[in-house]
Amino acid sequence: AQSVAQPEDQVNVAEGNPLTVKCTYSVSGNPYLFWYVQYPNRGLQFLLKYITGDNLVKGSYGFEAEFNKSQTSFHLKKPSALVSDSALYFCAVRDRNTGFQKLVFGTGTRLLVSP
Amino acid sequence: KAGVTQTPRYLIKTRGQQVTLSCSPISGHRSVSWYQQTPGQGLQFLFEYFSETQRNKGNFPGRFSGRQFSNSRSEMNVSTLELGDSALYLCASSQQAGMSTDTQYFGPGTRLTVL
Repeated sequence: AQSVAQPEDQVNVAEGNPLTVKCTYSVSGNPYLFWYVQYPNRGLQFLLKYITGDNLVKGSYGFEAEFNKSQTSFHLKKPSALVSDSALYFCAVRDRNTGFQKLVFGTGTRLLVSP
Repeated sequence: KAGVTQTPRYLIKTRGQQVTLSCSPISGHRSVSWYQQTPGQGLQFLFEYFSETQRNKGNFPGRFSGRQFSNSRSEMNVSTLELGDSALYLCASSQQAGMSTDTQYFGPGTRLTVL
């Protein structure tokens, strides 16, 4: 069965500093991986996805993620954090063999960017 | 292009009642999935629909059901509500079924409170 782990419940970073939100996965075979962000009282907003190809994926709002197959990780990064980046971030994995759309989500990491 | 819309945004029901939630996907999207989000269980997959057919179902009791109409709009129904059904119910749409690379785009959710 596929699963995703987000080991940090919360990440604190000062505005202007780089940020990293960690994600590791467990799947059989090669994964499809996604990052979403959720602001208070809102749905999930798509940031980026890894399907194949370059290990560094660039997404919305200056975010990027690095796929590392040997470490089974897909960490989300941003070079310079903004206060407005404060939100709940979810990593998700999809089984590429079934053709189903189902996403399996991690528990989420709350990012707090201080001014 | 308008995003995924969900109605109503908020609902308050009492135990034993039933509820119907509605989702309109992004124009041109034919696949709709539903997820439940709670503080304790996180984001859990409920169902996936395509062309009015349920393609995949999560591990939820039979009180949870859904359907999809010919215009791709979807509804989910929860009968005999329990306190534990209080959650944010999220609908997501993607262009088509069978494409594991597709991105799911989420609506703002319906916040259900069961008293």
